[in-house]
Amino acid sequence: EVQLVESGGGLVKPGGSLRLSCAASGLTFRNAWMTWVRQSPGKGLEWIGRIKSKTVGGTIDYTPPVKGRFTISRDDSKNTLYLQMNSLKSEDTAVYYCTIGYCSGTDCHYDDAFDIWGQGTTVTVSS
Amino acid sequence: QSALTQPASVSGSPGQWITISCTGTSSDVGAYKYVSWYQQHPGKAPKLLIYEVSNRPSGVSYRFSGSKSGNTASLTISGLQAEDEADYYCSSYRGSSPYVVFGGGTKLTVL
Repeated sequence: EVQLVESGGGLVKPGGSLRLSCAASGLTFRNAWMTWVRQSPGKGLEWIGRIKSKTVGGTIDYTPPVKGRFTISRDDSKNTLYLQMNSLKSEDTAVYYCTIGYCSGTDCHYDDAFDIWGQGTTVTVSS
Repeated sequence: QSALTQPASVSGSPGQWITISCTGTSSDVGAYKYVSWYQQHPGKAPKLLIYEVSNRPSGVSYRFSGSKSGNTASLTISGLQAEDEADYYCSSYRGSSPYVVFGGGTKLTVL
């Protein structure tokens, strides 16, 4: 069974930094494209960014509101995804999820349909 | 403001069917067949219900179905059950960052 477990959330002051981790198990992590999605309190979902597998170049893309402040990385030897968040703002307050696209056999929807989700980790940016 | 537009709420009685719309643009919903739908119960992570407009992942009930026409996608839930009461989100691939956009969510109340 594929499992994702996020950690690292907490309370941080505006302008501060935080690093989130997402530990994966039950899959060949090095082949997976991993995505971060967040959900602000009482609001909808927002795609933050995605890192492709190194086998296809490891490309990383971000949504404009976080580009330059957030960094996605991966350690395939530890089956772990990271989200380094710097220059945090109050509007970054949210539950942060890591997620993987749905695969049916070899047909994988890494960039459009998110099947496995972690339990989420809460980030609160407040003075 | 979310990129895709959904009604804030819908309701229906047990056994009935409801439809939730999701309106985007010619750059997302209208451009790609990659529309997905998610169900989210309070305090839980989203659950994938539909991918590629109308396909159900294994294990998802046949009562959930999806369709698309132009820039608008729809999720239909037939034979409403009490456990269907949840928030529902649509999403669409859009080809450039942000590569996925979501709707604002629709709260389904089963009367």
